[in-house]
Amino acid sequence: QVQLVDSGGGVVQPGRSLKLSCAASGFNFNSYGMHWVRQAPGKGLEWVAFIWADGNNKYYADSVKGRFTISRDSSKNTLYLQMNSLRVEDTAVYYCAGDPPQSGYAFDNWGQGTLVTVSS
Amino acid sequence: QSVLTQPPSASGTPGQRVYISCSGSSSNIGTNTVNWYQNLPGTAPKLLIYKDSQRPSRVPDRFSGSKSGTSASLAISGLQSEDEADYYCAAWDGSLNSVVFGGGTKLTVL
Repeated sequence: QVQLVDSGGGVVQPGRSLKLSCAASGFNFNSYGMHWVRQAPGKGLEWVAFIWADGNNKYYADSVKGRFTISRDSSKNTLYLQMNSLRVEDTAVYYCAGDPPQSGYAFDNWGQGTLVTVSS
Repeated sequence: QSVLTQPPSASGTPGQRVYISCSGSSSNIGTNTVNWYQNLPGTAPKLLIYKDSQRPSRVPDRFSGSKSGTSASLAISGLQSEDEADYYCAAWDGSLNSVVFGGGTKLTVL
């Protein structure tokens, strides 16, 4: 069955870095666009970043542009989010989500989420 | 301030039909398709409707979506207590080059 497993979250001080991972299985990872979406405590969903299936194009929310980098490793069926210069406002549960071909950017499967807490 | 606008709350009694609206602009809903998600507390969101009105096979036909111009709507018929959740609309925004979400609507089943 389709599965996305998020990992790498934790508590980190402002200004430090963290790298999230999302291990995919049960579907053709190399044909899916992949996204990161976050949800701050008690808040709504916020899209963070998107990478094409072939990895050639990447897009970021203005709130993370220049600080976060999305990448993927097709040999490991894994999606990554490198987060640098973390801020208190980056505190959230981070979800990876799969975007199948021709779906109109619909996230048909989600990871379970990993909590990132930025605090001194 | 979300790019897509949803009412913060909605409610209905069991068996009723409720509607949740989502308003955008020409750069998002006006030119791209809308997707809807259900988010139960403490769990990952689930896709309810994609491409304005298409329903994944696992989603009951009580859920339906529609779009007109720069607005979209999610309808839930035969309301059940298990439908109590937060609902989000989303679409690609061609001006921002990003996926934009609505602020979410909290549905209460009275």
